[in-house]
Amino acid sequence: AQRVTQPEKLLSVFKGAPVELKCNYSYSGSPELFWYVQYSRQRLQLLLRHISRESIKGFTADLNKGETSFHLKKPFAQEEDSAMYYCTLRGGSNYKLTFGKGTLLTVNP
Amino acid sequence: GAGVSQTPSNKVTEKGKYVELRCDPISGHTALYWYRQSLGQGPEFLIYFQGTGAADDSGLPNDRFFAVRPEGSVSTLKIQRTERGDSAVYLCASSLRQGSYNEQFFGPGTRLTVL
Repeated sequence: AQRVTQPEKLLSVFKGAPVELKCNYSYSGSPELFWYVQYSRQRLQLLLRHISRESIKGFTADLNKGETSFHLKKPFAQEEDSAMYYCTLRGGSNYKLTFGKGTLLTVNP
Repeated sequence: GAGVSQTPSNKVTEKGKYVELRCDPISGHTALYWYRQSLGQGPEFLIYFQGTGAADDSGLPNDRFFAVRPEGSVSTLKIQRTERGDSAVYLCASSLRQGSYNEQFFGPGTRLTVL
């Protein structure tokens, strides 16, 4: 079985502060991990995937297989980063996406 | 270009009624997915189509739920004898094809409310 846990339902930071959204997963094989984001009144969209190892909008996420974690980080949060963030797993050749419950990030001015 | 579209955007129905939710995928996308998002939860997988056939319907909660994609493009999710617990946002996504590196693009969702 595959499971994604996002321990924080809500996260509030001030503009310019570092932000880290936590994600832990459970999967017996080699998973693909993603972060999806949903801005207010917009549709769910892919933010980044672990295999790309890239920074998108200043966000990075490193897959730590030892700790089964895929935390999302940004050194300096911006107000436009306020959104709902979902950590997401796809297991092996399985096409199903398994989502966490999401973390609502609010960046205050 | 046009993204995934879903109609209606909102549907209110009474317990016991039948509803149909429609999804128009991105043109050329052969893979289509339905997810359900209940309040306070992340989206949960319902069914996956590759072309016209349902390759995996293991996420459908019971036999009141059925989905079709007769011509390999538009898909309809059908719910019979709706129950209050069916109230949720139903999301559709499509991808170029099924595979590890093919991003799933999501539609805006249909919010279903069963009274």
